[in-house]
Amino acid sequence: EEQMVESGGGLVHPGGSLRISCAASGISVKSNYFSWVRQAPGKGLDWVSDVYIGSRIDYADSVKGRFTVSRHKSNNTLFLQMTSLRNEDTAVYYCARRRIGVDRAFYIDLWGRGSLVTVSA
Amino acid sequence: SYVVTQPPSVSVAPGQTARITCGGHNIGHKGVHWYQQKPGQAPVLVVYDDTARPSGIPERFSGSSSGNTATLTISRVEAGDEADYYCQVCDSDNDHLVFGPGTKVTVL
Repeated sequence: EEQMVESGGGLVHPGGSLRISCAASGISVKSNYFSWVRQAPGKGLDWVSDVYIGSRIDYADSVKGRFTVSRHKSNNTLFLQMTSLRNEDTAVYYCARRRIGVDRAFYIDLWGRGSLVTVSA
Repeated sequence: SYVVTQPPSVSVAPGQTARITCGGHNIGHKGVHWYQQKPGQAPVLVVYDDTARPSGIPERFSGSSSGNTATLTISRVEAGDEADYYCQVCDSDNDHLVFGPGTKVTVL
C-alpha cells in the first residue's frame, strides 16, 4: 500500500527549530515529485514547498530562508527542517505526492495524515 | 501570482445537486483539481485535470471548466458529502500549487 507518514511535530517557542519527517512506503522518494502543504487551525490549504525529481526544491516566499527540505533516499524519507519559527507557522503540515496532469498541471494524489506544529510562547 | 476564488459556503438538501465554483483569470486554460476534506482528516483528491475522477471516487462527483470558472458538481448529495472542498491549479510561471480558499458544503 502506498502511504506517507509524518512525524516529529510538537510545541516550539517562537524563534525555535523543529524537524518533521515523512516516511514513504510503497513509493520511492527518489523518483516521485512531492510537496509540503500546511493548514493553520480553521484555515485553508497553504503551499509550502515543492520537491522535484533531481535537485530542484522550491519554497513559498513565507518560508524561504527559514525552511529546508531534504530527501534521504536510503531510508525513503523526506524531511522538513524549520528554523526561526513564528506564531503564524502554527499549522498541520502535510507531505504529499505530486503528479503531473495535463499541460504540466501538477496535483496531489496521495497525502500523509499530517503533523501538528504549534509555535507558542 | 495566480489567484483563485471560491464561495465560502454552499448548502444543499440531501438528494439534490451541489455546485461549487472556482474562479480565476482564464482558468479554463488551466488544469483544475478538486479536493474534499472532512474534519480532522487529510484532503482527498476527488477530481483532477478538470474532469477526471480517481479510482474509488463515486460518479456523483464531476468537474467542468470553461472561461473564468471551474465547477465541481456533486449529484444526489448524501450526508457523507458534507466537507470542505478546495480547488487547486498550478501557477504557470513556476509550477507552484495554488489552492482556492475552500468552500464548506453543508447538507441540510
